[in-house]
Amino acid sequence: GAGVSQSPSNKVTEKGKDVELRCDPISGHTALYWYRQSLGQGLEFLIYFQGNSAPDKSGLPSDRFSAERTGGSVSTLTIQRTQQEDSAVYLCASSTRGYEDTQYFGPGTRLTVL
Amino acid sequence: SQQGEEDPQALSIQEGENATMNCSYKTSINNLQWYRQNSGRGLVHLILIRSNEREKHSGRLRVTLDTSKKSSSLLITASRAADTASYFCATDNQGGKLIFGQGTELSVKP
Repeated sequence: GAGVSQSPSNKVTEKGKDVELRCDPISGHTALYWYRQSLGQGLEFLIYFQGNSAPDKSGLPSDRFSAERTGGSVSTLTIQRTQQEDSAVYLCASSTRGYEDTQYFGPGTRLTVL
Repeated sequence: SQQGEEDPQALSIQEGENATMNCSYKTSINNLQWYRQNSGRGLVHLILIRSNEREKHSGRLRVTLDTSKKSSSLLITASRAADTASYFCATDNQGGKLIFGQGTELSVKP
């Protein structure tokens, strides 16, 4: 079946604007993850969803970052008042159950904040 | 913060040679996963090894895990130019969240 999809693939925005990044997980996967990859910090965990709830938000870097998941499927990561240090590739992954499962990654959204 | 370190940071070999990458981590784990990334975009899952396993094979890939040393290695045999990519290890030590290493950039020259 289809893999994890993300949109947009690229997003350029001005400092101070809000952005929304979307993730469509593999159908039937209950666990969904957001990660961020930047030159200075490598690959970092942001947030984990099990169904529609987020038991682990420990990686969100500030209160400007939020995420939601509806219907146990699509997730949206929102960054408010973007800053230049938010520039990175945002990666979404999903897995069957979450615990000890293989995570399948989407192609990512490259965010550039000017 | 990242869980561990990968070694070497960069590796350049000729086609047909074997490539070995190492990963060390700091805390106890449920499993360790290896991923490949081309051109800084999506990660492709290669192999998952559980904490009670010592070795796994998948095609030309061989992964070992030594929990006493908190280390893992990925061996790619008979490398091809198409294996050129960045390789990351990631540990799952609490509830499925993956902690990634810094990665090894592998270059396979034809």
